[in-house]
Amino acid sequence: GAGVSQSPSNKVTEKGKDVELRCDPISGHTALYWYRQSLGQGLEFLIYFQGNSAPDKSGLPSDRFSAERTGGSVSTLTIQRTQQEDSAVYLCASSLGAGGLTDTQYFGPGTRLTVL
Amino acid sequence: SQKIEQNSEALNIQEGKTATLTCNYTNYSPAYLQWYRQDPGRGPVFLLLIRENEKEKRKERLKVTFDTTLKQSLFHITASQPADSATYLCALKGGNNRLAFGKGNQVVVIP
Repeated sequence: GAGVSQSPSNKVTEKGKDVELRCDPISGHTALYWYRQSLGQGLEFLIYFQGNSAPDKSGLPSDRFSAERTGGSVSTLTIQRTQQEDSAVYLCASSLGAGGLTDTQYFGPGTRLTVL
Repeated sequence: SQKIEQNSEALNIQEGKTATLTCNYTNYSPAYLQWYRQDPGRGPVFLLLIRENEKEKRKERLKVTFDTTLKQSLFHITASQPADSATYLCALKGGNNRLAFGKGNQVVVIP
């Protein structure tokens, strides 16, 4: 596709359930990022994939959060045993990831997660 | 520790005036710095990149400066319009080889 896509656009779940959020990056982009953004707040970095390197998971807030990137393309962010404080917009971004202008990140529309 | 600081208070400005935003950073030695715009309910959109050897960069009504001695970038919107109302974020690459974002500074242009 022309841009980064994310699904679902909205997800309402009950506390304690697991959720999976999907990101389709721009074709050919080797770098993929996940962020979380609560209402009125800045971007909170979660995880970064760069090519075949081990992902930078330093931003994951707890072991309930995990992400994988299959075949260097599609990524899935999984949140297990969701809590109300997990409610936020989850944004995915991709970039060519080779420095300078190629580090420009292209963001998807986000998934709004609401945990009841 | 590495920090990127932007003013947390919204900048309210009259239409037609110049809006100036500041991005200060600590413990980074960036080769370049980027600015993004974010509208409510949307992801950030890239605006400009300025390299360490460039003092100033312009794009239409936008102007960015980069002072590596002061560790600061200034972002100017000249002849501001209500459509410029948004949150503007600066971003730069850290030693962990990933782009890090400031929290953003909201601009409100009053007609």
